[in-house]
Amino acid sequence: SQTIHQWPATLVQPVGSPLSLECTVEGTSNPNLYWYRQAAGRGLQLLFYSVGIGQISSEVPQNLSASRPQDRQFILSSKKLLLSDSGFYLCAWSPSGVRETQYFGPGTRLLVL
Amino acid sequence: QKEVEQNSGPLSVPEGAIASLNCTYSDRGSQSFFWYRQYSGKSPELIMFIYSNGDKEDGRFTAQLNKASQYVSLLIRDSQPSDSATYLCAPSGSARQLTFGSGTQLTVLP
Repeated sequence: SQTIHQWPATLVQPVGSPLSLECTVEGTSNPNLYWYRQAAGRGLQLLFYSVGIGQISSEVPQNLSASRPQDRQFILSSKKLLLSDSGFYLCAWSPSGVRETQYFGPGTRLLVL
Repeated sequence: QKEVEQNSGPLSVPEGAIASLNCTYSDRGSQSFFWYRQYSGKSPELIMFIYSNGDKEDGRFTAQLNKASQYVSLLIRDSQPSDSATYLCAPSGSARQLTFGSGTQLTVLP
């Protein structure tokens, strides 16, 4: 069966510091991978998605970036965090060729102070 | 107009009752519709999806879709306190990506 991992689970960072969040998927090959952000009491906002290694599509222009160095690894980064970057960051995967059926990881709660 | 609209609630129902959660969407190109359950502090969990007009039943859950009215709903029969969560509606748009509503908070009272 497929499993998706995210770390860290929680993170408190000062404004202006860098960020690196990691997501890995087990038990499947060539998954579609997604990064979402959920602000408190809000819906999910799609940030990036990837259909393959090195292929990244950005949905929202901002100070975040994503990379996919390996088939089942997805990384969300920032060089300088803003207060507005606080939120619940969720990684999701879907089977290759089936973008819609998405399964979420446990998430990373980020607080920028 | 929001792309996906859900009543934010909170919606309270007594244990054993039917909970009805509604969602409207604006993209007429949407073909697939997904319902996720999100417990407080946790990540969303896929519970139902529906592609065709009409009803789809899975245990205590029934999804209903009316593409002409751009309306999808989720019924939870015999509601249990463990059903208390936020329910997210997510149509798949013409770009085959999910667009999530902000969710309806459901509380099932024992």
